Amino acid sequence: DIQMTQSPSTLSASVGDRVTITCRASQSISSWLAWYQQKPGKAPKLLIYKASSLESGVPSRFSGSGSGTEFTLTISSLQPDDFATYYCQQYNSPSWAFGQGTKVEIK
Amino acid sequence: EVQLVESGGGLVQPGGSLRLSCAASGFTFSSYDMHWVRQATGKGLEWVSAIGTAGDTYYPGSVKGRFTISRENAKNSLYLQMNSLRAGDTAVYYCARAGLTVMGAFDIWGQGTMVTVSS
Repeated sequence: DIQMTQSPSTLSASVGDRVTITCRASQSISSWLAWYQQKPGKAPKLLIYKASSLESGVPSRFSGSGSGTEFTLTISSLQPDDFATYYCQQYNSPSWAFGQGTKVEIK
Repeated sequence: EVQLVESGGGLVQPGGSLRLSCAASGFTFSSYDMHWVRQATGKGLEWVSAIGTAGDTYYPGSVKGRFTISRENAKNSLYLQMNSLRAGDTAVYYCARAGLTVMGAFDIWGQGTMVTVSS
C-alpha cells in the first residue's frame, strides 16, 4: 500500500504569512494527488486536484506543485479563514490514502 | 443542489453490525465512482471503501472481509454494510463522490454519520 507522509504536523503562522506544507508518497503516484481543507465539525473541502489544478471557487492564494513522490501546498498570504487542518490524498486508483494532516494554527 | 446525505449511524456493541446509507441528489449518481471515508475523533481521514460505476469494489486491509460497499442506482443510494465491528471502527463516516471534472478527487462530501462501537 502507498503511504502518505505530511510535514509539519502543526504549523503556527500569522495572517499574511506564506505557508508551505509538504506531502511525500512512499512510491511514485505521478500527479494523482489532491489537497483538502477541513475545519472542526465539517467535512473536508477539495482545494487542489491532479497536484496543481485549483478546484473551482477556491481562492488563487492556494497553489499546489510536485509530481512523483514529493508535493507541496502553498498558501501565498494566509487569511483568517485559512486556519484549519489540511490533508493530502493520493488517488492512484485502485488505491487511495490520506496523509496524517497538518494543522495550521494562529501564531 | 448537488448533495450527499448519510444516515444509519449509532451505537453498536463490539461484534455487531450496522448498515450506513448515503442518499445522493442533484447529479447523475450512476455515472460516478463513490467512496466511504472515516475519521475517528481528533484523528485524520482514513479511506474505507470504493465502488465503481460498474460495481467493482475496493477496500483497505483494515476493513476487508468485514465491510461491504454497494450501490443502488435506481434509488441514488450508496451503502456500507459493516460487520464484526470493533472499538477501532468508532468514527464519523463520510460518503464522498469521485468527481469527473477533478480527475477522480473527492469533490462532494456528505456531512457524516457517527458510528460508536462500545459495550
